[in-house]
Amino acid sequence: SQQGEEDPQALSIQEGENATMNCSYKTSINNLQWYRQNSGRGLVHLILIRSNEREKHSGRLRVTLDTSKKSSSLLITASRAADTASYFCATRMNTGFQKLVFGTGTRLLVSP
Amino acid sequence: DGGITQSPKYLFRKEGQNVTLSCEQNLNHDAMYWYRQDPGQGLRLIYYSQIVNDFQKGDIAEGYSVSREKKESFPLTVTSAQKNPTAFYLCASSIQGAGEAFFGQGTRLTVV
Repeated sequence: SQQGEEDPQALSIQEGENATMNCSYKTSINNLQWYRQNSGRGLVHLILIRSNEREKHSGRLRVTLDTSKKSSSLLITASRAADTASYFCATRMNTGFQKLVFGTGTRLLVSP
Repeated sequence: DGGITQSPKYLFRKEGQNVTLSCEQNLNHDAMYWYRQDPGQGLRLIYYSQIVNDFQKGDIAEGYSVSREKKESFPLTVTSAQKNPTAFYLCASSIQGAGEAFFGQGTRLTVV
């Protein structure tokens, strides 16, 4: 079963605009991660936020985590055409082996 | 170069045939994973391994088998019992129970 549901499923914006993607999950987590996938390729890790953190930044990326609502958001500022990809959230559970469980993904299209 | 390598990139299988997908990593990671991705979908966990000579079923293990005889290698066999094997298969590895996962570039399997 997939742990996360992402919203929106698809997002289309212009270069220079900000893109916000949301992820909801179901169970207690150790950390939440965001990954990027270019079409037909493997996934690349973007950022990790631990359950005791509320916000994290990396370059043009800003991630927030609200454990009371079991949700996270990924903000990409000043988007570029090269940001066009699918973005996935993934959670590591808080119990047992911390297998990595992925959400359904958001397809982002950034037009020049 | 450290990384995770999947081969082949494309694989064609006839009905009733078993095929094996290769996954090799030189990152010295204990944990390895196999995911299946269908078009426009998220990743679903097939099998994972925490350590050599140990592996566990994920959410969709039926019709698949794995082995973990070496730390570096985690091959996936798609058996004839898997009725709908056409998909994109992704292998990943991570430090045991923590942190980010590193992905291979994937194998696209098609039944002909």
